[in-house]
Amino acid sequence: AQSVSQHNHHVILSEAASLELGCNYSYGGTVNLFWYVQYPGQHLQLLLKYFSGDPLVKGIKGFEAEFIKSKFSFNLRKPSVQWSDTAEYFCAVIFTGGGNKLTFGTGTQLKVEL
Amino acid sequence: EPEVTQTPSHQVTQMGQEVILRCVPISNHLYFYWYRQILGQKVEFLVSFYNNEISEKSEIFDDQFSVERPDGSNFTLKIRSTKLEDSAMYFCASSEGTSGRAWETQYFGPGTRLLVL
Repeated sequence: AQSVSQHNHHVILSEAASLELGCNYSYGGTVNLFWYVQYPGQHLQLLLKYFSGDPLVKGIKGFEAEFIKSKFSFNLRKPSVQWSDTAEYFCAVIFTGGGNKLTFGTGTQLKVEL
Repeated sequence: EPEVTQTPSHQVTQMGQEVILRCVPISNHLYFYWYRQILGQKVEFLVSFYNNEISEKSEIFDDQFSVERPDGSNFTLKIRSTKLEDSAMYFCASSEGTSGRAWETQYFGPGTRLLVL
């Protein structure tokens, strides 16, 4: 079955530390990949997305993600986190042939300490 | 910046009662969605709606659920007879729908927290 997994459920980092959040999916076909973020008390909002072309995608607020097809992965990275990056991060996938529905991972709660 | 809005933000209801959750998608968007997140679980797709009809629905979206676009701005989710397991955060989303393609960004509302007692 098509699924999305996020390995880290809770991550605590100090400011200026580097961040990498894992996301893997299970599906042999074409995918569209997304990272959403939910800041405390706010909407889910799009950080970045990939659907074709350069597998290294840059998003808002200094985030980037790399699609590695051979590993079925789409990990999110940021070289230096800030306290304001404290939020929940969701990886989501649209599997081709599956309409437009997003399939979400479980989410990763990131806490950045000063 | 245009936003998806949802009302109410919280709703408490008794088991067996009908509830209607309301959403106002971004005004020029044509594709609408409902998702839900049961506490501690993943965000799950319920239904998508395009051109005044359901485009796709999940196994969760059974006969107890219905969606409607009663006018040019609102998009509603009705649960006919609520069950305890319907307690969740319900998110509405919309996308442009101009190309109907899966790479369009879905913009989410803040959610309605439904508690069924």
